[in-house]
Amino acid sequence: DIVVTQSPDSLAVSLGERATINCKSSQSVLYSSNNKNYLAWYQQRPGQPPKLLIYWASTRQSGVPDRFSGSGSGTDFTLTISSLQAEDVAVYHCQQYYNTPPTFGQGTKLEIK
Amino acid sequence: EVQLVESGGGLVQPGGSLRLSCAASGFTFSSSAMSWVRQAPGKGLEWVSAISGGSDYIYYADPVKGRFTISRDNSKNTLYLQMRSLRAEDTAVYWCAKEDRSVYSMDVWGLGTTVIVSS
Repeated sequence: DIVVTQSPDSLAVSLGERATINCKSSQSVLYSSNNKNYLAWYQQRPGQPPKLLIYWASTRQSGVPDRFSGSGSGTDFTLTISSLQAEDVAVYHCQQYYNTPPTFGQGTKLEIK
Repeated sequence: EVQLVESGGGLVQPGGSLRLSCAASGFTFSSSAMSWVRQAPGKGLEWVSAISGGSDYIYYADPVKGRFTISRDNSKNTLYLQMRSLRAEDTAVYWCAKEDRSVYSMDVWGLGTTVIVSS
């Protein structure tokens, strides 16, 4: 199974500041035939189910604010929130779907400083 | 409106059984692969099982293989998870999720149902 590891486990960022979350997979999730990274990011607000934010490592899901961006390729990925808003307090999960089983990172808890 | 509603969770003794249901609406259920994902208290997300639209392909995570059975009734727009030989470590919130196989991610999630395995 592909192991997905996020860092840090938690972080606190001031409102309006940038937040950066990292995700590393134990093997490449880049599919050479279509040049796509099978990596998604989800946001889970307290008491709510996860919500898809980004797929293909960098494509925002419809309706997701453009302050959220994803980058990276192969084994190393980053979720960036350019200007933190109060409603962004949540746990963020990355997930690989390069092969089965799809595996998630342990989650990163984002709080307001 | 696209919606998934889980039901069937509850308190069960170790070794017991439970069947979860997930009622889908607002999309073509029969064309959609579906997954069950769980989250144990204080833990991360764990994929449990997946089934293709026509039930041709079924997958299980190793911890539940041989104990859980995923199925679907496309005439009722409903997904199921039959859980047997339940263990304390199966205690979790269980979500059903619609898979978007064009982008290999889970784009719709239910609100979840809680399973507690305890004596």
